[in-house]
Amino acid sequence: AQKVTQAQTEISVVEKEDVTLDCVYETRDTTYYLFWYKQPPSGELVFLIRRNSFDEQNEISGRYSWNFQKSTSSFNFTITASQVVDSAVYFCALKETGGFKTIFGAGTRLFVKA
Amino acid sequence: DSGVTQTPKHLITATGQRVTLRCSPRSGDLSVYWYQQSLDQGLQFLIQYYNGEERAKGNILERFSAQQFPDLHSELNLSSLELGDSALYFCASSADGGSYNEQFFGPGTRLTVL
Repeated sequence: AQKVTQAQTEISVVEKEDVTLDCVYETRDTTYYLFWYKQPPSGELVFLIRRNSFDEQNEISGRYSWNFQKSTSSFNFTITASQVVDSAVYFCALKETGGFKTIFGAGTRLFVKA
Repeated sequence: DSGVTQTPKHLITATGQRVTLRCSPRSGDLSVYWYQQSLDQGLQFLIQYYNGEERAKGNILERFSAQQFPDLHSELNLSSLELGDSALYFCASSADGGSYNEQFFGPGTRLTVL
């Protein structure tokens, strides 16, 4: 069965600190897709990144980077030099090929203090 | 702005009542998803439609129903409302509903059942 675990419920950091949000997933499929979404205080979920199971290259986008490790079923998200605007709830999600449900983790609430 | 619109933004009603939530997907997107976000259950997938046809069902109660119309907008109907139905209801859309497609979320409808 599909499952996404975000063990960190809340993280609090001071501006300019680096922070890593953990995501561990379970699936029996060999082909699947992983996603990260951000939900700022305004409430609307915003797509950040998609990764398919055959692409284990890490990705960097500005201050954001993602580390996908199939061997440990993890897809972790790092924010470098965090800013107050990064304060949000971050969701990791999994979708199997041929499956139509997207399974979201419980989310990690990130507080960045000035 | 994701391009997905949802109305109304807020809805306050009483137990036992019926409400309809409306969603217009991004221009060109054929697939619509409905999610319920509550404090205790997190983000739960309810149902997906693709080009007017139901494609997948998640944790949707029998008191809830949805449809997607020929113009691709969708409605989620919630009936015999209970206090526990109070939540944020999100609509999302994607290009064609494939596993690899990221979803674009609307701003949500906050439902309060008194």
